[in-house]
Amino acid sequence: DAGVIQSPRHEVTEMGQEVTLRCKPISGHDYLFWYRQTMMRGLELLIYFNNNVPIDDSGMPEDRFSAKMPNASFSTLKIQPSEPRDSAVYFCASSLALGPETQYFGPGTRLLVL
Amino acid sequence: KNEVEQSPQNLTAQEGEFITINCSYSVGISALHWLQQHPGGGIVSLFMLSSGKKKHGRLIATINIQEKHSSLHITASHPRDSAVYICAVTSWNAGNMLTFGGGTRLMVKP
Repeated sequence: DAGVIQSPRHEVTEMGQEVTLRCKPISGHDYLFWYRQTMMRGLELLIYFNNNVPIDDSGMPEDRFSAKMPNASFSTLKIQPSEPRDSAVYFCASSLALGPETQYFGPGTRLLVL
Repeated sequence: KNEVEQSPQNLTAQEGEFITINCSYSVGISALHWLQQHPGGGIVSLFMLSSGKKKHGRLIATINIQEKHSSLHITASHPRDSAVYICAVTSWNAGNMLTFGGGTRLMVKP
């Protein structure tokens, strides 16, 4: 398996624009996670899905952020409108189960909002 | 106070030195994870453990459940070990989500 795939790897956009980040989890993994990493706050969980259903989105910072998982092999994280404070690295991860189970991280999307 | 604390935050070592990174946590856990993040950003899971010790090559991870403490050791360190090492825990009380420490930035000089 190719591992968790994310696109794009880098994104530079202007404030106010819509940004869409994409993730393909490892086949067979029932759980998908979106994380954000910043220098100030480190790694934070934004939302996670189980069998394509959003389970906990309490980490989503505000209504400008939304995430979907239309099928088992694809998820998106959308920011609309984007703001400079959204600049961060966004990671997608997947795992077979929750809890004491290894999560496999994608390479991340480095987002810069000017 | 963060639920997961790592020390030191930054560490510089000479090639060949034995390195220890510490992680303390304040909650009951189902597992503790050590992750490695290289410059350029990718995150790799090194270990997941809930008791005792695990070894992989030059890396050793230990955990003391009673003391709520884990250590990551690197023997015969090499410049390619330079990375950020992140401790994270999964806790039944927190819905089994990963809760991350702040990371330890390690630089190994040749």
